[in-house]
Amino acid sequence: GAVVSQHPSRVICKSGTSVKIECRSLDFQATTMFWYRQFPKQSLMLMATSNEGSKATYEQGVEKDKFLINHASLTLSTLTVTSAHPEDSSFYICSARDFGLTNYGYTFGSGTRLTVV
Amino acid sequence: TQLLEQSPQFLSIQEGENLTVYCNSSSVFSSLQWYRQEPGEGPVLLVTVVTGGEVKKLKRLTFQFGDARKDSSLHITAAQPGDTGLYLCAGAFRGNTGKLIFGQGTTLQVKP
Repeated sequence: GAVVSQHPSRVICKSGTSVKIECRSLDFQATTMFWYRQFPKQSLMLMATSNEGSKATYEQGVEKDKFLINHASLTLSTLTVTSAHPEDSSFYICSARDFGLTNYGYTFGSGTRLTVV
Repeated sequence: TQLLEQSPQFLSIQEGENLTVYCNSSSVFSSLQWYRQEPGEGPVLLVTVVTGGEVKKLKRLTFQFGDARKDSSLHITAAQPGDTGLYLCAGAFRGNTGKLIFGQGTTLQVKP
């Protein structure tokens, strides 16, 4: 089945630094990937839709200059949290859609726990 | 803006009891999915429903999709402690470029 690999699984960074999170579709091509953010005991909130070869589409209220998304190939999307602050600490999850699947298959990565100190 | 209302958000029951989780929207879903998520992990797909009125079963879990494709429910029969976790409904809406919107989630605790 479709597999999405997300890396790193955990990262701790100092306030003011930038952190890059990678999301790879391992056995299928993903023209579209999605980035979510999840706070403790809450649901997933869609941040942006990442489109291969074009600009990402951000949801209302998400700062595009803060959360840089690059989708340079059909198997890789990256999310860079720039000038991170403690309030950016969260669980970030990516998802990719394999249009070849018949189950309307959205496959999720295992998430990245970001802690900004 | 499409929204999914999921209820209840928290549920604590005894082993053996039944429960139902609801997911509603004012918009029509092109498809709706139910996920289960463990702490520190990504959500895992349980089922996808596409056709209005559809009913799917997965062991003790029964999923229903409303005739108008605006609502769905998850029913668990004879809940077990192993069912404890976060259950999420997520919908894809027509004309929404395929993005999946999640409900608020239901944290289920099944006590032995």
